[in-house]
Amino acid sequence: AQSVSQHNHHVILSEAASLELGCNYSYGGTVNLFWYVQYPGQHLQLLLKYFSGDPLVKGIKGFEAEFIKSKFSFNLRKPSVQWSDTAEYFCAVHNTDKLIFGTGTRLQVFP
Amino acid sequence: DTEVTQTPKHLVMGMTNKKSLKCEQHMGHRAMYWYKQKAKKPPELMFVYSYEKLSINESVPSRFSPECPNSSLLNLHLHALQPEDSALYLCASSQDRGPAPQYFGPGTRLLVL
Repeated sequence: AQSVSQHNHHVILSEAASLELGCNYSYGGTVNLFWYVQYPGQHLQLLLKYFSGDPLVKGIKGFEAEFIKSKFSFNLRKPSVQWSDTAEYFCAVHNTDKLIFGTGTRLQVFP
Repeated sequence: DTEVTQTPKHLVMGMTNKKSLKCEQHMGHRAMYWYKQKAKKPPELMFVYSYEKLSINESVPSRFSPECPNSSLLNLHLHALQPEDSALYLCASSQDRGPAPQYFGPGTRLLVL
């Protein structure tokens, strides 16, 4: 079965630091990949998605992700984080009508 | 409008109670989903409805009973739940059941006593 791994369980950064959160998936065929964010007390929101084409995708709030097929990776990046980016981040892959989530990364940003 | 609404926001119920969770979307989406999310865990898929028909049941116990009365509404009927069923129940919708992005509601936080 397809799976998604997020190796960074908890990341702590200071404001203005750069961010990279890892995501690896297990399936070798065509993949549809997503990053979702869950701010404290709020609902899951779509940050960005990759279906095909340019492997560097840009999302909302200054986030971007790069699809590297050879590494089965879809890492999330942001050049300069803000305190308001404190949240839980989930990588997900779509497979046979299901959205399969990684275990999530908790990001804490301190002023 | 990319909003999915869920009611109630919070629910406390005993193990012998019957209650229902409701979800609504007006985006014209034809696929709707129920997920269960435990604290500090990712959402786990429970059910998928496509064009108002149940297409996926992830081996969910029968004490959870989904219903899709029309293309905008999704219900989850609860009966004889266990304390371990306490969780955040999320509803989501997407254009269809393919790889289209899913839009999530705020969830119903359920506590079973």
